Amino acid sequence: QLRLQESGPRLVKPSETLSLTCTVSNGSITSGTYYWGWVRQPPGKGLEWIGSIFYSGSTYQNPSLKSRLTISVDTSRNQFSLNLSSVTVADTAVYFCGRQHVLDGWYSGHWFDPWGQGTLVTVSS
Amino acid sequence: DIQMTQSPPSLSASVGDRVTISCRASQSITRHLNWYQQKPGKAPKVLVYAASRLQSGVPPRFSGSGSGTDFTLTISSLQPEDFATYYCQQSDSIPGTFGQGTKLEI
Repeated sequence: QLRLQESGPRLVKPSETLSLTCTVSNGSITSGTYYWGWVRQPPGKGLEWIGSIFYSGSTYQNPSLKSRLTISVDTSRNQFSLNLSSVTVADTAVYFCGRQHVLDGWYSGHWFDPWGQGTLVTVSS
Repeated sequence: DIQMTQSPPSLSASVGDRVTISCRASQSITRHLNWYQQKPGKAPKVLVYAASRLQSGVPPRFSGSGSGTDFTLTISSLQPEDFATYYCQQSDSIPGTFGQGTKLEI
């Protein structure tokens, strides 16, 4: 059964860069037509899609974050990563990674399954 | 961005009840609509994708319907494990926006 696990610093200072890695196990990040994505959830609030990447390196990103966002993939380590620069307290959230199924190309529909357990990242001085 | 509006924001129900949650998109998303269930402290879990396709392993008491701008998630007979928060998400255009959630309570 495919598993995903987020890792990275849990506390980041304002103006610094938030960096997280998602490690995929029991399956290859290069198999199939899956994208690999990130979603975040501020404490007590709803879900926000951050961005997604294909193993070739092709990405889709949330325009509201795009200027601060880098998503990358390392197929040799079966991992993908998120870097969010110039963070503020508004970036405090639980960050989830997940595999995205795609029906017939990105714009034909896609959904997350499975997800990692999530990791709380707090932005504070 | 496409706005997704769920109703109601919260809902009280009992075991055995039939429950319907609505999700409205600010513009047509054809059938590019997913439903997720989230329990406290856990990651969301997909229930329905492409508006009406039941994810493998999800009990058949869950069903989705709709197209265009109006969608519904129906639970035919509530079970104790169904009390959770439910989110819709559109995958028609970037960014893939979520509804604000519907909290289903006893």
